[in-house]
Amino acid sequence: DAGITQSPRHKVTETGTPVTLRCHQTENHRYMYWYRQDPGHGLRLIHYSYGVKDTDKGEVSDGYSVSRSKTEDFLLTLESATSSQTSVYFCAISESDREAYGYTFGSGTRLTVV
Amino acid sequence: GQNIDQPTEMTATEGAIVQINCTYQTSGFNGLFWYQQHAGEAPTFLSYNVLDGLEEKGRFSSFLSRSKGYSYLLLKELQMKDSASYLCAVPHSGGYQKVTFGTGTKLQVIP
Repeated sequence: DAGITQSPRHKVTETGTPVTLRCHQTENHRYMYWYRQDPGHGLRLIHYSYGVKDTDKGEVSDGYSVSRSKTEDFLLTLESATSSQTSVYFCAISESDREAYGYTFGSGTRLTVV
Repeated sequence: GQNIDQPTEMTATEGAIVQINCTYQTSGFNGLFWYQQHAGEAPTFLSYNVLDGLEEKGRFSSFLSRSKGYSYLLLKELQMKDSASYLCAVPHSGGYQKVTFGTGTKLQVIP
C-alpha cells in the first residue's frame, strides 16, 4: 500500500476554534491534495500542492488554509471552524500531473464541528 | 466548467453483470477516472480512459465515448464485496491537479 496517513482520524471541535489536519506521505510524491466529502456533493477539492511551499486553491477553499514545508507533510487548517465544515476530509497524493496514475487517498478524517 | 452525472443508486444480483453510466461535460478533455469507495473507507483507483473504446481489467471494464461525453463501468460476475459507491471523475483542462468527481453511484449487490 502507498504510504499515506492522516491524523487525527476523528475529531470533535467547537465552533470558532482553529483546527489542523495532517497528511503524511512516505512516497515522495510531488502532488498532494485535500478534499472534503459530503452527502450529495461528492468529493470537492479544497487546496492542492505541487511542491514544497507551492500550493493553490480548489473549488471550496474559503475558510481553509494549507501549508507544505516538507515534501512529506501537507497540513490543512480551518482557521475558525464552523458547522458547515463538518465533513469527512481526505488527503490524496499523485506521482505526476501529466500521466493518469490516479490518486491514492488517505483513510480520511471525520471532523464534527459543534 | 465541469459537470458529471451518475445514477444515485443501483441494485444487482450476485453473479450478474451491471453497467454504471456516467455522462460528463468538460471544457477540455483529459481523460476520465473511475474509483471505488466502500462505505466508511477511502476511494481507490479503478481505471483511467483517455481514448474511445473499452478497456478491460479482470472483472471490471471501462468504456469511453468522447464524442458523446459518456462512459460506463462494467462489473462482471458480481460479488458481495462489490457493494460500494463508484465515482466517475474528470480532470480539468489545465491538468490533473484539479479533478472533479461525480457524486457517485451506490451499488448494492444482493444474493
